Amino acid sequence: DADVTQTPRNRITKTGKRIMLECSQTKGHDRMYWYRQDPGLGLRLIYYSFDVKDINKGEISDGYSVSRQAQAKFSLSLESAIPNQTALYFCATSGGSRTEAFFGQGTRLTVV
Amino acid sequence: RKEVEQDPGPFNVPEGATVAFNCTYSNSASQSFFWYRQDCRKEPKLLMSVYSSGNEDGRFTAQLNRASQYISLLIRDSKLSDSATYLCVVNENSNYQLIWGAGTKLIIKP
Repeated sequence: DADVTQTPRNRITKTGKRIMLECSQTKGHDRMYWYRQDPGLGLRLIYYSFDVKDINKGEISDGYSVSRQAQAKFSLSLESAIPNQTALYFCATSGGSRTEAFFGQGTRLTVV
Repeated sequence: RKEVEQDPGPFNVPEGATVAFNCTYSNSASQSFFWYRQDCRKEPKLLMSVYSSGNEDGRFTAQLNRASQYISLLIRDSKLSDSATYLCVVNENSNYQLIWGAGTKLIIKP
């Protein structure tokens, strides 16, 4: 089993719909992150969490929300999906800022 | 100016050749540096950390030049399996802030 698991792996949704992407990890890490990746752009941070009670906005948090349900679970929600949120979304965990980040396999989201 | 810049490529290189690419960063206070590899439609995976003294792992060598604010990755005796996108990552402080380059695409041809 993967250390970082994202569900769903692929999703097509309609404009205006609410959608949740889920992430769970077995690494035992406190730090979890949500990124989106668009062609020609680097990974951009949406939200990050250093522990269950700590949630922080990243550089592109507008239109997104998150929930850290447990140390191992961090979900990302699009309250009202729009087409420019079509992207590849990655969840990641790390044990610290100077240590390796482990990624889930990604969720390919298409908003039509 | 982007905080972390990479030549997007693609670099088309014959198998067995040596290839090198750089990554420039804008914040002189950056502390940690990494190279990740990303295969098409897959998640990024750590290739190597970049230390001030430079480091080598088999065919891969990473260097840091703080004066000119860039890191480099050298791949010797390239293999077909080295074809991927290489992402440069910079940590600007002791907090969360990992800044990702857009990646350099490498294609190794037989």
